[in-house]
Amino acid sequence: GIQVEQSPPDLILQEGANSTLRCNFSDSVNNLQWFHQNPWGQLINLFYIPSGTKQNGRLSATTVATERYSLLYISSSQTTDSGVYFCAVDNTNAGKSTFGDGTTLTVKP
Amino acid sequence: NAGVTQTPKFRILKIGQSMTLQCTQDMNHNYMYWYRQDPGMGLKLIYYSVGAGITDKGEVPNGYNVSRSTTEDFPLRLELAAPSQTSVYFCASSYPLNTEAFFGQGTRLTVV
Repeated sequence: GIQVEQSPPDLILQEGANSTLRCNFSDSVNNLQWFHQNPWGQLINLFYIPSGTKQNGRLSATTVATERYSLLYISSSQTTDSGVYFCAVDNTNAGKSTFGDGTTLTVKP
Repeated sequence: NAGVTQTPKFRILKIGQSMTLQCTQDMNHNYMYWYRQDPGMGLKLIYYSVGAGITDKGEVPNGYNVSRSTTEDFPLRLELAAPSQTSVYFCASSYPLNTEAFFGQGTRLTVV
């Protein structure tokens, strides 16, 4: 099956700093999502982005499908951005997503 | 609009017991999924369904069963619980194909 690698595995930032999270995948995809899992375990949809660029406030994402990677940018980080960020991709006809192991972000005040 | 609702939120089972994790969605989604998340890992697909009456195995189906009698409900059954099934379970739904998936709040299950 498709392989998903996220980097870095852990990231510690000072509040106000910017960061870039990366997701590499081993095959072409028809679906890619970024999620934030907060410290209470809830999964929050950030972006549905199989290709192109999207922005939502301080967050933006870019997927370059032909080169099989996606980037999540967090600007002016806040302590509430802490948690685990997951990339999930799908290359099936049934919407079955394969998740990466996540990037754990800690933002210090 | 409640989205995807899972019950219970927490449960402790003894080895060998059985239980059903409930999942219901009110978005009229055709596609529904069950994932498990072990500590420090991403989610792994257990079972999925592309519509009422249709289910299929995912990556880690052993020890689980599902049914899909209605569009709204997709219960996950654990028979003969084992410590290896200690995990957080997430239900999700999506419609139509190639759109974003929506996740429930999760069920934290401990088997002792």
